[in-house]
Amino acid sequence: QVQLQESGPGLVKPSETLSLTCSVSGGSISSYYWSWIRQSPGRGLEWIGYIHYSASTNQNPSLKSRVTISLDTSNNQFSLKLKSMTAADTAVYYCARAQSRFEYGGNTGGFDIWGQGTMVTVSS
Amino acid sequence: DIQVTQSPSTLSASVGDRVTITCRASQSISNWLAWYQQKAGKAPKLLIYKASNLESGVPSRFSGSGSGTEFTLTISSLQPDDFATYYCQYYNTYSPRWTFGQGTKVEVK
Repeated sequence: QVQLQESGPGLVKPSETLSLTCSVSGGSISSYYWSWIRQSPGRGLEWIGYIHYSASTNQNPSLKSRVTISLDTSNNQFSLKLKSMTAADTAVYYCARAQSRFEYGGNTGGFDIWGQGTMVTVSS
Repeated sequence: DIQVTQSPSTLSASVGDRVTITCRASQSISNWLAWYQQKAGKAPKLLIYKASNLESGVPSRFSGSGSGTEFTLTISSLQPDDFATYYCQYYNTYSPRWTFGQGTKVEVK
């Protein structure tokens, strides 16, 4: 079955750029929407942005100017870059796949597969 | 932007209880709503998609209903494994964009 695994640094300094990668195993990265989601005690679950296998992207308006999401189909991976990190960006970061069902014409709007999450702390 | 608001934020219940959690949208979202269960230290798990469709492998005691602006997640008979936090999530088909509710913690009474 399809599995997702986040990788990246656990500690980032203020003002630096966070880089995370999500590796997709057990299936192809094609034909789905792939998202980054984060969770902190103060902000709950927050959708960061998505990339589609067609390379279209969209980001949460609250983070749009700082977010870049890219796709590496040859390695079955997608990545997140979040610029100008502050303490408010301290969170568990998840990658997730948006569910697609043929009988519903594609995207059902839910995330059916998640990575285990990686804790990112912003501190000097 | 459309907001989704969950209630209650905390719910105290006993094994065997019928439990209902509500999610309200600030304007009509048709049936573009999902529900998740999350346990401490774990990723959320999809329970219900498109408001009322049970995800494969999820016990039938979970059900979702509603459309437009008001939605409910019901656990017909609460089991020990069901004590967790539950989130609703709206999918904006036009952007696309996703928005989560604030969560409801189901705790032991």
